[in-house]
Amino acid sequence: DTGVSQDPRHKITKRGQNVTFRCDPISEHNRLYWYRQTLGQGPEFLTYFQNEAQLEKSRLLSDRFSAERPKGSFSTLEIQRTEQGDSAMYLCASSLQGRRNEKLFFGSGTQLSVL
Amino acid sequence: AQRVTQPEKLLSVFKGAPVELKCNYSYSGSPELFWYVQYSRQRLQLLLRHISRESIKGFTADLNKGETSFHLKKPFAQEEDSAMYYCALSPTETDKLIFGTGTRLQVFP
Repeated sequence: DTGVSQDPRHKITKRGQNVTFRCDPISEHNRLYWYRQTLGQGPEFLTYFQNEAQLEKSRLLSDRFSAERPKGSFSTLEIQRTEQGDSAMYLCASSLQGRRNEKLFFGSGTQLSVL
Repeated sequence: AQRVTQPEKLLSVFKGAPVELKCNYSYSGSPELFWYVQYSRQRLQLLLRHISRESIKGFTADLNKGETSFHLKKPFAQEEDSAMYYCALSPTETDKLIFGTGTRLQVFP
């Protein structure tokens, strides 16, 4: 499968623990996005990268959230001191920079449950 | 505020009936509008974008700046159209997408 890959598919953790998710974009894509989706809502933008540079970060993202894309390939999203409100589906997407808003390819997501 | 509103959580029709999924947006500039679709057990994927002015799987959407709407239409629904549909807006100054809450389309045989 040459699509966007996310790992793990599911994560159950206890409140207060740290979690890290990984996203592997389509290999030639230089843009990578993170979104979060809760039940009954559409995806909500968190942050995006162009190569290794983080170009935008949502103001809704607290300091407990951090994302990296160190070599401009895969990306990690870390949540520190998880809270029950962090329970959601975390979606990664990638695109090839070209014209504005080139088509996004989404991964299957990581479902986080915080107990 | 930049916002996308999809007023219907669920839309149920019979096969062969026309379909219109409503989308209204709030944005002061000239946005780009998109429809994304998620079929059962599949990933979210782009259906169409307004600048392309294309018809995908029989679906069309026209941007109406006066009414700030971007409704998705299909003249004759098929069972395989059953899915979750999200309208999304991209503001001029950024490449992020702002999604609506989605409409589930159910097409009955």
